[in-house]
Amino acid sequence: AQSVTQLDSQVPVFEEAPVELRCNYSSSVSVYLFWYVQYPNQGLQLLLKYLSGSTLVKGINGFEAEFNKSQTSFHLRKPSVHISDTAEYFCAVSDQSDFGNEKLTFGTGTRLTIIP
Amino acid sequence: GAGVSQSPRYKVTKRGQDVALRCDPISGHVSLYWYRQALGQGPEFLTYFNYEAQQDKSGLPNDRFSAERPEGSISTLTIQRTEQRDSAMYRCASSFLTGTSGYNEQFFGPGTRLTVL
Repeated sequence: AQSVTQLDSQVPVFEEAPVELRCNYSSSVSVYLFWYVQYPNQGLQLLLKYLSGSTLVKGINGFEAEFNKSQTSFHLRKPSVHISDTAEYFCAVSDQSDFGNEKLTFGTGTRLTIIP
Repeated sequence: GAGVSQSPRYKVTKRGQDVALRCDPISGHVSLYWYRQALGQGPEFLTYFNYEAQQDKSGLPNDRFSAERPEGSISTLTIQRTEQRDSAMYRCASSFLTGTSGYNEQFFGPGTRLTVL
């Protein structure tokens, strides 16, 4: 079984400032890692994913995340945020070995609020 | 083509009533997942299908919840004798199932917000 912890439920950030949203996971098996974004009144959208290879992954809208196996973390970063980044962000994992069943285990989410 | 669609978008029902939530996946997507998201929480897995076969229903909370996908396309999640604790956003996602290892991205629908009074 896997679990995902997002310690920060809300993060306020000034516009054009950098941001880091934290994600830690626990799993007895190897996992794939994801960040999803949910804009108001919309469905979940994949922001980026780590499957294998380089531990630094880049996603849409200027976001990037770094997989740290020793710390079991997958923190999301953006060097300069915009008002349009206001949304809820979810970290998620999926069991690599369960081929064909790619169910996601999500964290509780972090609400990012950009202050003009 | 169109994305994943879900209907109704909002459903208000009285305790004890049955409800049926519909998911229409992206055309050609083999796999279909249902998740439930309570207020202030992340989505939680309920069940998933490959084609019409229900492969995993380990996340269904009790026997009042059931799901079907009879023709391998549209899926219905049914909750019988609804209770207030069933109030949540119910999300559906679909994906391809390729014949090789690796991850198949799930595309999410807008969800159905269920309120049980």
